[in-house]
Amino acid sequence: GAVVSQHPSWVICKSGTSVKIECRSLDFQATTMFWYRQFPKQSLMLMATSNEGSKATYEQGVEKDKFLINHASLTLSTLTVTSAHPEDSSFYICSAALPGNEQFFGPGTRLTVL
Amino acid sequence: GQQVMQIPQYQHVQEGEDFTTYCNSSTTLSNIQWYKQRPGGHPVFLIQLVKSGEVKKQKRLTFQFGEAKKNSSLHITATQTTDVGTYFCAPSGGYQKVTFGTGTKLQVIP
Repeated sequence: GAVVSQHPSWVICKSGTSVKIECRSLDFQATTMFWYRQFPKQSLMLMATSNEGSKATYEQGVEKDKFLINHASLTLSTLTVTSAHPEDSSFYICSAALPGNEQFFGPGTRLTVL
Repeated sequence: GQQVMQIPQYQHVQEGEDFTTYCNSSTTLSNIQWYKQRPGGHPVFLIQLVKSGEVKKQKRLTFQFGEAKKNSSLHITATQTTDVGTYFCAPSGGYQKVTFGTGTKLQVIP
């Protein structure tokens, strides 16, 4: 199947700093990517839909000014957590799908904010 | 939107026993996907069901979509330790957007 990578796989940062997470589709072009957040022992919650060349679509309750999404090319979407706080500590996972096909998930990025 | 509920939340079974997780929605679903997430890992696509009453099998796994397209189930026959993980049902909506159910965590005791 298709491969999606994420970088970094884990990051620890101080409260108030910003963190950028990259999501890449390695062997296919993805016009749409998705960003999820998963807290311990909970399900994945969709944060936003990242559209190549246009603004992301955020789910209800997700602050677009705090979670900046940029989908600059057909193979790369980035999520920047701005002014991170301890409550933003979570497992962030991206996914990409071929049209009419299953979604392929990245390995995830574990963010810890001190 | 409302999250799709899954029951049970947790299930411990002895290796060799069967396991079933149920997925329930208050609204009619156009389709439903199933994913497996191993501890510490990311979700891996298992299958997609589209038709009312559809039943699909993958070796020891049997997936079913309800007649009213409001519920679905995953049944594992004769569980093995490799089946350990959390199983999510996930309705897929417009623009391929997938929203995950609450999940069922399966633990298999050797």
